[in-house]
Amino acid sequence: DTGVSQNPRHKITKRGQNVTFRCDPISEHNRLYWYRQTLGQGPEFLTYFQNEAQLEKSRLLSDRFSAERPKGSFSTLEIQRTEQGDSAMYLCASRLRAGGTYNEQFFGPGTRLTVL
Amino acid sequence: GQQLNQSPQSMFIQEGEDVSMNCTSSSIFNTWLWYKQDPGEGPVLLIALYKAGELTSNGRLTAQFGITRKDSFLNISASIPSDVGIYFCAETQGAQKLVFGQGTRLTINP
Repeated sequence: DTGVSQNPRHKITKRGQNVTFRCDPISEHNRLYWYRQTLGQGPEFLTYFQNEAQLEKSRLLSDRFSAERPKGSFSTLEIQRTEQGDSAMYLCASRLRAGGTYNEQFFGPGTRLTVL
Repeated sequence: GQQLNQSPQSMFIQEGEDVSMNCTSSSIFNTWLWYKQDPGEGPVLLIALYKAGELTSNGRLTAQFGITRKDSFLNISASIPSDVGIYFCAETQGAQKLVFGQGTRLTINP
């Protein structure tokens, strides 16, 4: 399978715990995006990387959230001191290249986080 | 928050019927994307539109980029049970992040 993969698919945690999610983009896709989706809503942008550089962060990304893409390949999203409001689907997407006219992003299956 | 207005929010149709949904924005964009999402899964790209007035088909799906560049519609012809899901329009801001509509939930009665 050469699509975007995410692990774990589901995570249940207690309030106050830290969680980390992983995303493996499509090979050679240099842009990687994180989105959050709550029930009944469309995905909302969190942050994106071009290679290993984090180029933009949404105001939704509080200081409890941190994302990395150390080698320009896979990425991790960590949430510290989780709150019940963090419960959501966390989606990762990747895109082939920067610039140009082709802006198609391909999504992974998501990680469903439930904070008790 | 969301900046795209997608309608209708939900649709209940009979199998075999045609479906039409649309998306509008107060701003001009250079790309419209249509995605379908099944429960518990990530969105799957259906159609991408890049030029005002562009009409693109993908099997039974047809989408158009509005001439004003502020709207787009998606049509599904002869619906089948596997068309059930949530359809999202999305546009790009600065060729970077996507902004999504609220989604149209499609339910098909057998």
